[in-house]
Amino acid sequence: DVKVTQSSRYLVKRTGEKVFLECVQDMDHENMFWYRQDPGLGLRLIYFSYDVKMKEKGDIPEGYSVSREKKERFSLILESASTNQTSMYLCASSRIPGTGELFFGEGSRLTVL
Amino acid sequence: DAKTTQPTSMDCAEGRAANLPCNHSTISGNEYVYWYRQIHSQGPQYIIHGLKNNETNEMASLIITEDRKSSTLILPHATLRDTAVYYCIVRVVGTGGFKTIFGAGTRLFVKA
Repeated sequence: DVKVTQSSRYLVKRTGEKVFLECVQDMDHENMFWYRQDPGLGLRLIYFSYDVKMKEKGDIPEGYSVSREKKERFSLILESASTNQTSMYLCASSRIPGTGELFFGEGSRLTVL
Repeated sequence: DAKTTQPTSMDCAEGRAANLPCNHSTISGNEYVYWYRQIHSQGPQYIIHGLKNNETNEMASLIITEDRKSSTLILPHATLRDTAVYYCIVRVVGTGGFKTIFGAGTRLFVKA
């Protein structure tokens, strides 16, 4: 069964802490994505990557960075967490050229105090 | 990508067909219709997609009108586990899912 695995389902961090959210996919997909989901705002794209060491900003990249050192792993980094980054974070992957279908992980709910 | 319009919420009795509508009147000729669903506290799950022909898989059927301005997702025998938010998305295929824009979706309640 194809799988996108996010390292933590729930995290609680303090303002100013550095936060790493890890995502691993076992489908050999080229594309990987990080979204955040907030009530009333839907899913918003933070960053995506179409290859190892490649990254592109999504719609809301401010306050975030990403790392893709290996094809299967895509990390989201909050350099200095703030309370407005409390959210559900969703990782996804897809194949190129593929059908455009996104495979999502179960999500990481981050609370910043 | 074309904008979609879906009802905010719908109810369906368990065992009956759930028909979820979506309007996409500004869809372009090269844009596909995708459906995803999101069960509470989980990531979205792909259901089905199509261009202009009706499509069916083990999860659902997708009916696209001839003018392609609207579509309907059909869950033939809804179960309680089908209670979820359903997203209708239109986008161009070929870039591996980039710029898949999720709107508010339809919250489907399946009742016993």
